[in-house]
Amino acid sequence: GEDVEQSLFLSVREGDSSVINCTYTDSSSTYLYWYKQEPGAGLQLLTYIFSNMDMKQDQRLTVLLNKKDKHLSLRIADTQTGDSAIYFCAESIRAGNMLTFGGGTRLMVKP
Amino acid sequence: DAGITQSPRHKVTETGTPVTLRCHQTENHRYMYWYRQDPGHGLRLIHYSYGVKDTDKGEVSDGYSVSRSKTEDFLLTLESATSSQTSVYFCAISSEGQGVADTQYFGPGTRLTVL
Repeated sequence: GEDVEQSLFLSVREGDSSVINCTYTDSSSTYLYWYKQEPGAGLQLLTYIFSNMDMKQDQRLTVLLNKKDKHLSLRIADTQTGDSAIYFCAESIRAGNMLTFGGGTRLMVKP
Repeated sequence: DAGITQSPRHKVTETGTPVTLRCHQTENHRYMYWYRQDPGHGLRLIHYSYGVKDTDKGEVSDGYSVSRSKTEDFLLTLESATSSQTSVYFCAISSEGQGVADTQYFGPGTRLTVL
C-alpha cells in the first residue's frame, strides 16, 4: 500500500536553512506536494513537483526529488519565524486526486 | 484563497448522536474530498466526490456517509457519533483539466469533539 513518512520535528535558528525530508513507497507516484499548516488553520499548498523533475525552485523554497530512493525534500532558505508551522508532504498518482499524506513535520524557528 | 467554507467550525456532541458537517465551494470544482486529521496520522481520506451524486470511499470511511446533491455542497454525516471520531475534519476541492497540476485546496477545518 501507499505510505509516506516524515520526521516529526525540526528546530532551526532564524536565518538558517531548513530541510524537511519525506520518503514514499509508491513508485507510481506522479505528483508530489508540500503543504503548510499554521496553527488553527487549513492546509496551504506551498509547491509541487512532477515525478519527471528532480528539482524545483520557487523563491526561498527548493524541492529536491530522488526517484531512485523515493525521497523528497523541501529546503527553506533564510528561515523566518513566520515559517514556523507543520509541513506535510503528499503524493498522488494522478494530479489532484487521492492524495496520501505524511504525518507532518513540525518546524520550530527560534529567534 | 480558494472559496471553500466549512460549517460548523467547532462542534461538541455526545456519543450516539447524528452529526452533519457541510463543505461549500464557490469555485465550481468537480472534485471534493473529506479528510480527518489526527496526531501522528497526518490527513486521511474519508470519502470523495467526482461529481453530483458521484461519491466513493476513501481510506477511513467506516462510520461516515456523504452526499453531494449540488456541485457546491458536499456533506459529511456521522450517523451515530463515537469518541473515536473526535478529530479535525477538512474539506478539499480540486478541478480537472484546468491546469497541469490539479492540486487540492483546503477549507479551514471543523473541530469535532464527541463526548
